[in-house]
Amino acid sequence: AQSVTQLDSQVPVFEEAPVELRCNYSSSVSVYLFWYVQYPNQGLQLLLKYLSGSTLVESINGFEAEFNKSQTSFHLRKPSVHISDTAEYFCAVGDYKLSFGAGTTVTVRA
Amino acid sequence: ETGVTQSPTHLIKTRGQQVTLRCSSQSGHNTVSWYQQALGQGPQFIFQYYREEENGRGNFPPRFSGLQFPNYSSELNVNALELDDSALYLCASSLGATGGNEQFFGPGTRLTVL
Repeated sequence: AQSVTQLDSQVPVFEEAPVELRCNYSSSVSVYLFWYVQYPNQGLQLLLKYLSGSTLVESINGFEAEFNKSQTSFHLRKPSVHISDTAEYFCAVGDYKLSFGAGTTVTVRA
Repeated sequence: ETGVTQSPTHLIKTRGQQVTLRCSSQSGHNTVSWYQQALGQGPQFIFQYYREEENGRGNFPPRFSGLQFPNYSSELNVNALELDDSALYLCASSLGATGGNEQFFGPGTRLTVL
């Protein structure tokens, strides 16, 4: 069995400020971890993923996440957000069958 | 390269009716997964099809069924619709059914059951 808990349902943040979205997971098997982003009226887009190897993974648009096995966490961070980062973010765990968290709504204000 | 497409975009049905949702996978992808996303929640896995065979199922009743065709497109059928079936239905395709393969999501079909 596997499950994901996203600890923050809404995160308001000012432009150019840092943001952290918290994700804890439970899984009885080897772990693949993902962060997806969903912009309004769009499908999910993969932001980054951890399969194995380095515990710090980065996306092309400045996000990074760190896999912490002892704390069963996969928190997402960005040092400086833009207005365009306003979206819903989902953490997921699994292999072919993904289990998603409830999502975190990030609202970036000028 | 064409991405994942879904049809229709929106659909309104009444309780007890049946509905068919369609998904065209991304070019070259042989695996399709379906998810249900209720309002304010994360997507929940319904089932996956790999090379026309069901390859795993989530906690959904048998009135949720699917098909995958030789061209790897897929259908999700829901019989005896209930109010709680109102949700965004997402289709995702991937190259292979093993773990770690990136799933590419379509824009979804918004189903409203009255």
